[in-house]
Amino acid sequence: GAVVSQHPSWVICKSGTSVKIECRSLDFQATTMFWYRQFPKQSLMLMATSNEGSKATYEQGVEKDKFLINHASLTLSTLTVTSAHPEDSSFYICSARDRQFLPHEQYFGPGTRLTVT
Amino acid sequence: QKEVEQDPGPLSVPEGAIVSLNCTYSNSAFQYFMWYRQYSRKGPELLMYTYSSGNKEDGRFTAQVDKSSKYISLFIRDSQPSDSATYLCAMSAGGWGGADGLTFGKGTHLIIQP
Repeated sequence: GAVVSQHPSWVICKSGTSVKIECRSLDFQATTMFWYRQFPKQSLMLMATSNEGSKATYEQGVEKDKFLINHASLTLSTLTVTSAHPEDSSFYICSARDRQFLPHEQYFGPGTRLTVT
Repeated sequence: QKEVEQDPGPLSVPEGAIVSLNCTYSNSAFQYFMWYRQYSRKGPELLMYTYSSGNKEDGRFTAQVDKSSKYISLFIRDSQPSDSATYLCAMSAGGWGGADGLTFGKGTHLIIQP
């Protein structure tokens, strides 16, 4: 099956700093990438959808100036959490698909655990 | 009312039992229904998907969708301790080529006791 990687797998940063998370599709072209956030014992919540070469579409309540998403190539999307605060501590998971795929063919990365101190 | 409701559990059953996991939803536009398994601190892994109503079987797993009741189920037969994980239902209204993110349930934490 298709493989999606994320880097880093975990990161600790100080309040007020920025942190970048990378999501890569390793063996397919990801025309669309999704970013989800998961708090402990909660569901995955869609944050934003990014199509290669276009601006990301953010879900209601997600601050686009705080969560910067770049999808500059067909294999890489990045999420930058700017001016991070402790309440941004969460598990961030990306998924990727190609436009040829059916909706269920959305492949998830292993996640990045962000802790803001 | 949330779009997808799923009992978070925990659900604890003895090894060998049949497990029934369920979700209800409110959006009648959903057409694709998925079940994911997630281990602690890992990304979700797709177990099964179903399009529209009906049943689908894959080994020990059976997925059922009843669109008239807006109710989906996942059955696990001959449950094993290795099946212990969080099971998330997910849904999408998107068709071929669609770029919809998935709407997830909260996930049910399943524990299979040896």
